[in-house]
Amino acid sequence: GAVVSQHPSWVICKSGTSVKIECRSLDFQATTMFWYRQFPKQSLMLMATSNEGSKATYEQGVEKDKFLINHASLTLSTLTVTSAHPEDSSFYICSAYPGPGPGEQYFGPGTRLTVT
Amino acid sequence: QQPVQSPQAVILREGEDAVINCSSSKALYSVHWYRQKHGEAPVFLMILLKGGEQKGHEKISASFNEKKQQSSLYLTASQLSYSGTYFCGTETVDRDDKIIFGKGTRLHILP
Repeated sequence: GAVVSQHPSWVICKSGTSVKIECRSLDFQATTMFWYRQFPKQSLMLMATSNEGSKATYEQGVEKDKFLINHASLTLSTLTVTSAHPEDSSFYICSAYPGPGPGEQYFGPGTRLTVT
Repeated sequence: QQPVQSPQAVILREGEDAVINCSSSKALYSVHWYRQKHGEAPVFLMILLKGGEQKGHEKISASFNEKKQQSSLYLTASQLSYSGTYFCGTETVDRDDKIIFGKGTRLHILP
């Protein structure tokens, strides 16, 4: 099956610093990638939709200046959490969608971010 | 709009059956079902498209009633490996490729 990787798997950073998370589709090209945040024992909350070569579309309530998304190629999207605070600590998961038409989204293994 | 899942949690003994429901207030194009184990990424189970579709894989099957904007996931003769949190994700008829996930149903299978 299709494989999506995320790097790093986990990261601990100090409050006020920025953290970049990479999402790569390893064996297919993804027209669209999605970024989700998941707090413990809660649902996957969609943060933004990322299309290659265009600006990301953010969900209501997600600060676009805080969560910078770049979709540089059909196999790579990055999420940068800027000026991280403890409340940003969460499990961040990306998914890649090869399209077109309805189909499975392939999820990455997730990145656990802890801000101290 | 986030779909509503029920029940929130289920505890079963191995071999018992379970039904997880998912309902939406919006007209749906597709329903996706995923299972997530603790600390891991969600794993795709199946997708159901508009049109009253039913699907199955081994002992896990699902139905989609587009008129009622509902889907149900059926787990028969449950196995220990079925434990986890089940999420339904819905895509509306807007066809923006976005999937909005429900809050999940935690399933725990006892030996």
